[in-house]
Amino acid sequence: KQEVTQIPAALSVPEGENLVLNCSFTDSAIYNLQWFRQDPGKGLTSLLLIQSSQREQTSGRLNASLDKSSGRSTLYIAASQPGDSATYLCAVSAYGNNRLAFGKGNQVVVIP
Amino acid sequence: GAVVSQHPSRVICKSGTSVKIECRSLDFQATTMFWYRQFPKQSLMLMATSNEGSKATYEQGVEKDKFLINHASLTLSTLTVTSAHPEDSSFYICSAKTGDQPQHFGDGTRLSIL
Repeated sequence: KQEVTQIPAALSVPEGENLVLNCSFTDSAIYNLQWFRQDPGKGLTSLLLIQSSQREQTSGRLNASLDKSSGRSTLYIAASQPGDSATYLCAVSAYGNNRLAFGKGNQVVVIP
Repeated sequence: GAVVSQHPSRVICKSGTSVKIECRSLDFQATTMFWYRQFPKQSLMLMATSNEGSKATYEQGVEKDKFLINHASLTLSTLTVTSAHPEDSSFYICSAKTGDQPQHFGDGTRLSIL
């Protein structure tokens, strides 16, 4: 059974600092890995999707890396802003995007 | 594109009531829909997977008679929580996909049973 762990569970950083969020998974036989953002009481917004054959994906201030063999992914958020405050979820997918296994999330607070 | 609408967003009802939650794919045909449950500060846990026109596949530990899932069309799936009790209070989120494309998520339903 796939287990996904996210560290740290919660962190607070001053505005402008770079954020580094870590995700690890136990079974390296994944189809892809996604990072989502979840605001309190809301659904999920997909941020980045990395296919199993890729090493990283970038979108604006966000960069996600994937090391499938070691079962790790890192989400970097450059020059954090108060609007980045949210919970960030990592999820790995089995073949065909059918079974998503989620971590518990990294709860981020960016202090103005 | 790829919008998933979930309704209602919030339900508060008495113990023993049955509650229906709808999940619609607005601009694509969803061959597969998924229902998740999320407790505070916990990860999303997959409850069941449903394919249009066939019975849902439930995850281990999820009571199929308690959580009725109907996927009657390529754009609509419903989750009915039957005879809901306070322990069923949670955040329920649906997602939908077509083929082997990524899942797209609804905004979730906060269910509170008094």
